[in-house]
Amino acid sequence: EAGVTQFPSHSVIEKGQTVTLRCDPISGHDNLYWYRRVMGKEIKFLLHFVKESKQDESGMPNNRFLAERTGGTYSTLKVQPAELEDSGVYFCASSLKISTDTQYFGPGTRLTVL
Amino acid sequence: GIQVEQSPPDLILQEGANSTLRCNFSDSVNNLQWFHQNPWGQLINLFYIPSGTKQNGRLSATTVATERYSLLYISSSQTTDSGVYFCAVEGQAGTALIFGKGTTLSVSS
Repeated sequence: EAGVTQFPSHSVIEKGQTVTLRCDPISGHDNLYWYRRVMGKEIKFLLHFVKESKQDESGMPNNRFLAERTGGTYSTLKVQPAELEDSGVYFCASSLKISTDTQYFGPGTRLTVL
Repeated sequence: GIQVEQSPPDLILQEGANSTLRCNFSDSVNNLQWFHQNPWGQLINLFYIPSGTKQNGRLSATTVATERYSLLYISSSQTTDSGVYFCAVEGQAGTALIFGKGTTLSVSS
């Protein structure tokens, strides 16, 4: 069984540009989460989808971040326009059940904003 | 919100030594997971352990939910055990994992 996959693995962009990150959860997992770790800080929650609906987006830092999960399968996270402080590693995770279940993490996308 | 504290922040071991990593959390939890972040940055699931004890090879974990702490034991450490170990909890009010700052383990041969 394939794990959570993320694309790209690395992205280097200039301030003001747009970047779109993609996450493919484990097949059959309705729950999909985005997290990020900015330099020197803890891993922080961004948002949670149940199928195509946003269950919790309390961690989204501002309106420059837009997450979608059309059709309840893969998800995209768009940053527009990117700022220097957006640099970090963006992780995606998925789980079968909501709460009380293991969240499986993808390998992450390392975003560098110059 | 829930606070998660991990100790020690850094740990240096010789190959073959045993170690105990601790995770304290400030409120009741539905979920507690231990992860190992390898040198490539990947988060590897070690244990899902909101309570009780589990073992997987040289690793074992114990969570005492009533006292709000979890321990990760690494026995006969190997250089491949090096990396950052994270504890993450999910509070009863939400579904997001809240991560500690991690313990950085360095195992030398």
